[in-house]
Formats: sequence, structure tokens, C-alpha cells
Amino acid sequence: ELKVEQNPLFLSMQEGKNYTIYCNYSTTSDRLYWYRQDPGKSLESLFVLLSNGAVKQEGRLMASLDTKARLSTLHITAAVHDLSATYFCAVDADSWGKFQFGAGTQVVVTP
Amino acid sequence: GAVVSQHPSRVICKSGTSVKIECRSLDFQATTMFWYRQFPKQSLMLMATSNEGSKATYEQGVEKDKFLINHASLTLSTLTVTSAHPEDSSFYICSARDGTGEAFFGQGTRLTVV
Repeated sequence: ELKVEQNPLFLSMQEGKNYTIYCNYSTTSDRLYWYRQDPGKSLESLFVLLSNGAVKQEGRLMASLDTKARLSTLHITAAVHDLSATYFCAVDADSWGKFQFGAGTQVVVTP
Repeated sequence: GAVVSQHPSRVICKSGTSVKIECRSLDFQATTMFWYRQFPKQSLMLMATSNEGSKATYEQGVEKDKFLINHASLTLSTLTVTSAHPEDSSFYICSARDGTGEAFFGQGTRLTVV
């Protein structure tokens, strides 16, 4: 059974500091996805990582993928309040497109 | 980018009644759509895979007679929660992938059964 483990589950961030969210998975998938979810809303796509060594950056967020270690990281640089949300990683559970999601990391950024 | 539209965004129904949720791919055809359920403070759990023109595939533990899925066209899948009970109250989200494999999610439906 495919498992996707995300940690930490809760992250209290101070504005201006850097933090990392980790996503471990148990399959040999070479695709990994990061999503953001605001309260009461659906998922917003952040990154799609398609191969080993992939690194993508958007603003203060940077995601990377190590398929050999089955590990992806989401790095937040100089956190700001607007980044408060829940972040999910997800892996393809089969070739038809269904996902296995991590438990999510609730991020709260405070001054 | 591609859009998946889900309707309604919120619905309140009485216990024992049925509720239908629609999921449409607006600018691409989706032979397969997925239905997820999310309880408060939890992750998304796949309920079923909706296949155009054939029966849906349900995940273990999901009652197929309670959660009826119909995928009658390449752009529309519907989820009907039959004889809803308060424990069915949840956030339901559909998704579909376009021809490039990129996944798109609907806006979600907040179901409250009273």
C-alpha cells in the first residue's frame, strides 16, 4: 500500500524566517505534487515535480524531489503572513491519475 | 489553464434526503474523474474513480449504493449522496486530468446534513 508521510503536521512560523516541510513516500513514483489549501477552499496547485533532482521555485516557495530517497521538500524562505495555509504533497497512486495525499502541514505565520 | 467546475459549493440537506454534486471539465475532456472527501482538519481521501461510460471504481470502505457516481459524458461526472446522514457531512472535491496529465480540482462542495 502506498504511503505518503508528511511532516511536520503543524508548523508555527515567525515572519522572516526559513522553514522546510518534508514529504516521504513509499512507491517508486517519479512524480510529486504540492498543493496549498486555504480554509474552506479547494486545492491550489503549487508545483509538479516530474523527475529526480527536479527543483522548482515560485516566490518564497521552493520544492525539490529526490526519487532515490523518495523524499520531497517544500522550503519556505522568509515567511510572510500570506503563506498561512495547509500544504499537501501528493503522489500518483496509479497510472490513471488518482492521488495519494500526505496528511497535510498546517502553517501559521505570526509576526 | 484547464478548469474543473464543481456545483454546488455549499448544500444543506435534511437527514434521509439525497444530494447531487456535479463536476464538469470546462475546456477539456476527462474520461476519468476522481471524487475525494475531506473531513475537518484531515487530508483528502479518495472515494471513487469515475469512468466515462462505465461503472465507477470505489475505494475500500466506500459504500457504492450510498455514493452513486455517474459519468455520462466526457465532461460531466455526478456524485449523489443517497439517504444522507449527519456523518456524511464533509467537504467533497472532484478532480480530473487533462491530456498533459496535469490534475485540476473543482472548487469543492461543503455538504451539511441536518
